[in-house]
Amino acid sequence: GQNIDQPTEMTATEGAIVQINCTYQTSGFNGLFWYQQHAGEAPTFLSYNVLDGLEEKGRFSSFLSRSKGYSYLLLKELQMKDSASYLCAVNDYKLSFGAGTTVTVRA
Amino acid sequence: GAVVSQHPSWVICKSGTSVKIECRSLDFQATTMFWYRQFPKQSLMLMATSNEGSKATYEQGVEKDKFLINHASLTLSTLTVTSAHPEDSSFYICSANLQVKVSSEQYFGPGTRLTVT
Repeated sequence: GQNIDQPTEMTATEGAIVQINCTYQTSGFNGLFWYQQHAGEAPTFLSYNVLDGLEEKGRFSSFLSRSKGYSYLLLKELQMKDSASYLCAVNDYKLSFGAGTTVTVRA
Repeated sequence: GAVVSQHPSWVICKSGTSVKIECRSLDFQATTMFWYRQFPKQSLMLMATSNEGSKATYEQGVEKDKFLINHASLTLSTLTVTSAHPEDSSFYICSANLQVKVSSEQYFGPGTRLTVT
């Protein structure tokens, strides 16, 4: 089966940096996605990694190590609007989601 | 970017009735759509994969006779919750695949909140 782990909650102050880790053990691998989900809304795409290394996209960066089954999402210069749940999802021709990490940004 | 719509966004129904939820890809064709269910403070759980012109593939533990899926065209998939019960109350989200180079990014609809009384 699929096993995707990420921390339940993280709290940080405005302007800080947060790193959300995700470890996975899946039967197949065809890339890893990170999504942002605000309460009561559908997930929105943040990043996609299929090769090892760092993908940078503005304030958000994502890293992947396939040999270690590990990824992280880095949020820089945190803003209040970044308070949301962040979902790690492994693509094995269908998406398997982690339970999500709720990030709370405080002033 | 690719847009996926869902209708209705919110529905309340009585126990024992059926509810149909529509998922449309507005500016692209989707041969594959996915249906997810999300309970409060939990992650998305894949219910089924909907394939245009063929039967849906259901995940283990999902009753195919209770959650009827029809993918009649390349832009529309429907999920019908039959004989709904209060435990079916949840946030139902669809997504559609957009093939982009080597990735297969899924675009999510806005979700449908179902409350069964």
